[in-house]
Amino acid sequence: QVQLQESGPGLVKPSQTLSLTCTVSGDSMNSGSYYWSWVRQPAGKGLEWIGRIYISGTTSYNPSLKSRVTISVDTSKNQFSLNLSSVTAADTAVYYCATYDYVWTNAFEIWGQGAMVTVSS
Amino acid sequence: QSALTQPASVSGSPGQSITISCTGTSSDVGAYIYVSWYRHHPGKAPKLMLYDAIKRPSGVSDRFSGSKSDNTASLTISGLQAEDEADYYCASYTRSSTWVFGGGTKLTVL
Repeated sequence: QVQLQESGPGLVKPSQTLSLTCTVSGDSMNSGSYYWSWVRQPAGKGLEWIGRIYISGTTSYNPSLKSRVTISVDTSKNQFSLNLSSVTAADTAVYYCATYDYVWTNAFEIWGQGAMVTVSS
Repeated sequence: QSALTQPASVSGSPGQSITISCTGTSSDVGAYIYVSWYRHHPGKAPKLMLYDAIKRPSGVSDRFSGSKSDNTASLTISGLQAEDEADYYCASYTRSSTWVFGGGTKLTVL
């Protein structure tokens, strides 16, 4: 069973770049029918899809964040990463990595526990 | 893309049934069966409860059921239990090859 764990700085200064990594355990990223995804939840608000990557490197991003988001994958390390540039207080949120099964369920099946990131000087 | 529309809150007594709606557009909910529902207890990872609008993953109670008609999907929980108290989110694939979540519904078990 695949497990996900987010890691990265919990505090980022305004205008800087937020960087998070999701480590995949329990199976190789090369097996399975997954898109590797990022979702966030600002305090007091709902879930927001950020984007996803396939192991080939092809990506898809939320149009509202597209100009600031980069998602990358390193299958040799069984990790994928999120970079969000020019952050503001509005980017303060819990960030989740998740698997999206595009064959069997077409849903976000497995989620990490989440990483709280605060944008503040 | 705009968030799917869900009621902010619903409530019910133990043993009762509740339904949460999720309204989108012909570009998301109305375009595909790829609507899913998640239960989210604060501080924990969201859990997949339904996929393809009506299907339950292995291990999810048959008290959870779903439906979809045109641009609206619904989640029904029957035989409410205290453990069902949580936030519930719908999500849909879109014609732009992106995904969009609902604003979330807080379920209170009275």
